[in-house]
Amino acid sequence: GENVEQHPSTLSVQEGDSAVIKCTYSDSASNYFPWYKQELGKGPQLIIDIRSNVGEKKDQRIAVTLNKTAKHFSLHITETQPEDSAVYFCAASSLTGGGNKLTFGTGTQLKVEL
Amino acid sequence: GAGVSQSPSNKVTEKGKDVELRCDPISGHTALYWYRQSLGQGLEFLIYFQGNSAPDKSGLPSDRFSAERTGGSVSTLTIQRTQQEDSAVYLCASSSRGGTNQETQYFGPGTRLLVL
Repeated sequence: GENVEQHPSTLSVQEGDSAVIKCTYSDSASNYFPWYKQELGKGPQLIIDIRSNVGEKKDQRIAVTLNKTAKHFSLHITETQPEDSAVYFCAASSLTGGGNKLTFGTGTQLKVEL
Repeated sequence: GAGVSQSPSNKVTEKGKDVELRCDPISGHTALYWYRQSLGQGLEFLIYFQGNSAPDKSGLPSDRFSAERTGGSVSTLTIQRTQQEDSAVYLCASSSRGGTNQETQYFGPGTRLLVL
């Protein structure tokens, strides 16, 4: 089955700096890669996603890049703000059993310091 | 509009007891997923519903775990004879069409289960 690895597990940046989180996946059939942000005591919330026919996608301060050959994808947050502090999860989707099953990385605790 | 809701938000139970966790998906969403999040870990897939059918139950960790969905809406995850290792946050997600459509999965706030 699919395996997703995520690094780093913790990341501390100064406000205004950029943050980068990287993930690798194992199943070459995976073709949908969402990123979720989870705040304490809440469920994960989608912040951006990318499909395998696209190499890069950007939404304001957030961007995601995908390298299908190397099987890795990354989240880039620019001009970080204190409210960006949260746990971020990458995921990969494989269509098995007729459903869109997501396999998640183990998360990155991002802390944006003033 | 209303998002995915789950109840109870917290559940403390004794080892060996049965528990039921409820999920109300976004109205009209045909696909529903259950995931489990253990402390400090990522989310682990449990089961997928398309309508009232569960074509993928591959993530259920043992036969103590079961789930059903009725009326294409509410789903219940049941854990029988709970064990301490079942302690985790159980998250439910829904998407509008499911199947081979790779759509956003919208998550509920989760049920935090503690087995003493």
